[in-house]
Amino acid sequence: GDSVTQTEGQVALSEEDFLTIHCNYSASGYPTLFWYVQYPGEGPQLLFRASRDKEKGSSRGFEATYDKGTTSFHLRKASVQESDSAVYYCALRNSGTYQRFGTGTKLQVVP
Amino acid sequence: EAAVTQSPRNKVTVTGGNVTLSCRQTNSHNYMYWYRQDTGHGLRLIHYSYGAGNLQIGDVPDGYKATRTTQEDFFLLLELASPSQTSLYFCASSEYNNQAPLFGEGTRLSVL
Repeated sequence: GDSVTQTEGQVALSEEDFLTIHCNYSASGYPTLFWYVQYPGEGPQLLFRASRDKEKGSSRGFEATYDKGTTSFHLRKASVQESDSAVYYCALRNSGTYQRFGTGTKLQVVP
Repeated sequence: EAAVTQSPRNKVTVTGGNVTLSCRQTNSHNYMYWYRQDTGHGLRLIHYSYGAGNLQIGDVPDGYKATRTTQEDFFLLLELASPSQTSLYFCASSEYNNQAPLFGEGTRLSVL
């Protein structure tokens, strides 16, 4: 079945560091890919999505590019802030099915 | 403003107990979902529905029942709760299945 793999369970950075959170997927066809952010005490909320190969999604300084060749949708941000501390989820949805989420990556940014 | 409201926010029960988690959405969305969130597993779909009276199974439905009584209300039922069902439960809604769901704030359930 369709699945998403996030290899980093936790990431610790200092403010202004560059962020990369890896997301690889396994699915047939062209699934839609998503990134969500979850702050403490809240439900996940959509950051952005991408539906086609080479499409870039972006929001709040975060970005990811759909790469069908490497089946990846890595999340990047050039300069993180303490307020970016949260849990980040990669997800996919294939045609005719429901969304499936990765295991999440907890980002901690220290000032 | 779009909203998904869950109740209760916290619940403690004993093994074998009967628990009902409630969810109401005021978004006029067709789809509603129940997820559980566990460290190391992320979010996993239990059940979902695309309208009143409809129920579909997700990836981890065992031990759970659900019922969609109206377009607004979706309930998750644990009739014989077990400690393995201790988790953070999220309800979500979306107008169509290909849209990103809007999540509630979660219900933390502890089964002792």
